[in-house]
Amino acid sequence: AQSVAQPEDQVNVAEGNPLTVKCTYSVSGNPYLFWYVQYPNRGLQFLLKYITGDNLVKGSYGFEAEFNKSQTSFHLKKPSALVSDSALYFCAVRDTENYGQNFVFGPGTRLSVLP
Amino acid sequence: ETGVTQSPTHLIKTRGQQVTLRCSSQSGHNTVSWYQQALGQGPQFIFQYYREEENGRGNFPPRFSGLQFPNYSSELNVNALELDDSALYLCASSAYSQETQYFGPGTRLLVL
Repeated sequence: AQSVAQPEDQVNVAEGNPLTVKCTYSVSGNPYLFWYVQYPNRGLQFLLKYITGDNLVKGSYGFEAEFNKSQTSFHLKKPSALVSDSALYFCAVRDTENYGQNFVFGPGTRLSVLP
Repeated sequence: ETGVTQSPTHLIKTRGQQVTLRCSSQSGHNTVSWYQQALGQGPQFIFQYYREEENGRGNFPPRFSGLQFPNYSSELNVNALELDDSALYLCASSAYSQETQYFGPGTRLLVL
């Protein structure tokens, strides 16, 4: 069965500093990996995805993520954090051997960017 | 292009009652998935509909049921509500041949 871990409940970073939100996954086949962001009382907004190809994926709002197959990781990064990036971030995986398009989400990481 | 919409935004029910939540998919999308997000947790997959047929189900009891209509909009029905059903219910749509799901704003259900 597929699973996702986000080892940090909370990440604090100063505005202007680089940020990293960690994600590791487990699947039977090859993974499709996603990052979503959730602002208070809102649904999830799509940030970026890895399907195949280049291990470094660029997405919305200056975010990027690096797929590392040997470490089964897909960490979200941004070179310079903004206060407006403060939100709840979810990593999700879909197993290509489970084609019911069932996304499994991690528990979320709350990012706080301090001015 | 119209995004995913959900109604109502908030709902209060009592234990044992039944509830219906509605979702309109994004233009061009034929697949709808429903998720339950309890407070402080990640979304949990309930089920998915593709062309009016259930196309996958998570670990939820049969009192959670759904429908998809010819225009690809969808309903989530929950019977015999329990206190633990209190959560944010999220609908997501996608084009079946693509991998990305786009989420609506959710319906917050409170069961008293």
